[in-house]
Amino acid sequence: GIQVEQSPPDLILQEGANSTLRCNFSDSVNNLQWFHQNPWGQLINLFYIPSGTKQNGRLSATTVATERYSLLYISSSQTTDSGVYFCAVISGNTPLVFGKGTRLSVIA
Amino acid sequence: DAGVIQSPRHEVTEMGQEVTLRCKPISGHNSLFWYRQTMMRGLELLIYFNNNVPIDDSGMPEDRFSAKMPNASFSTLKIQPSEPRDSAVYFCASSLQGQNTEAFFGQGTRLTVV
Repeated sequence: GIQVEQSPPDLILQEGANSTLRCNFSDSVNNLQWFHQNPWGQLINLFYIPSGTKQNGRLSATTVATERYSLLYISSSQTTDSGVYFCAVISGNTPLVFGKGTRLSVIA
Repeated sequence: DAGVIQSPRHEVTEMGQEVTLRCKPISGHNSLFWYRQTMMRGLELLIYFNNNVPIDDSGMPEDRFSAKMPNASFSTLKIQPSEPRDSAVYFCASSLQGQNTEAFFGQGTRLTVV
């Protein structure tokens, strides 16, 4: 099955800093989503982005499907951005396959 | 819409007991997914339904696990008998028109088997 690798596994930022999270996948995809799992465990939809670029406030994402990667940009990070960021993909007829996530800690 | 609704939010049960987790998908969504999250294995798919029909249950760990979707607005995941290694967070998700659309997750059920 498709493999999803996220990097870095852990990231510590000072409040106000910018960061880039990466998601690599091993096969072509027809769906890609980014999620934020907050400290209470809730999975929050950030982007549905099988290709192209989207922006939502301080967050933006780019997926280059032909090169099999997606990037999540967080600008001017805040402590509320802390949590785990997951990339999940659909390839062919498989449901969402998740990466292991990037654990982000933003320090005031 | 209230989103995907799961109940209970937390469940603590003794080994050997039956556990039933419940899910109400977003109205109009016709695909429903059950995932399990553990520290060791991350988020893994257990089973999914399209139009109330189970499509792939290859992720169900063993015969102690079963899932049903009697109608478009309700699904259950049952574990009988439960074991300590079943302790995890169980998520339900739903999407519209099969798999190639955005999926939305419920808040999860944290199961602890003692």
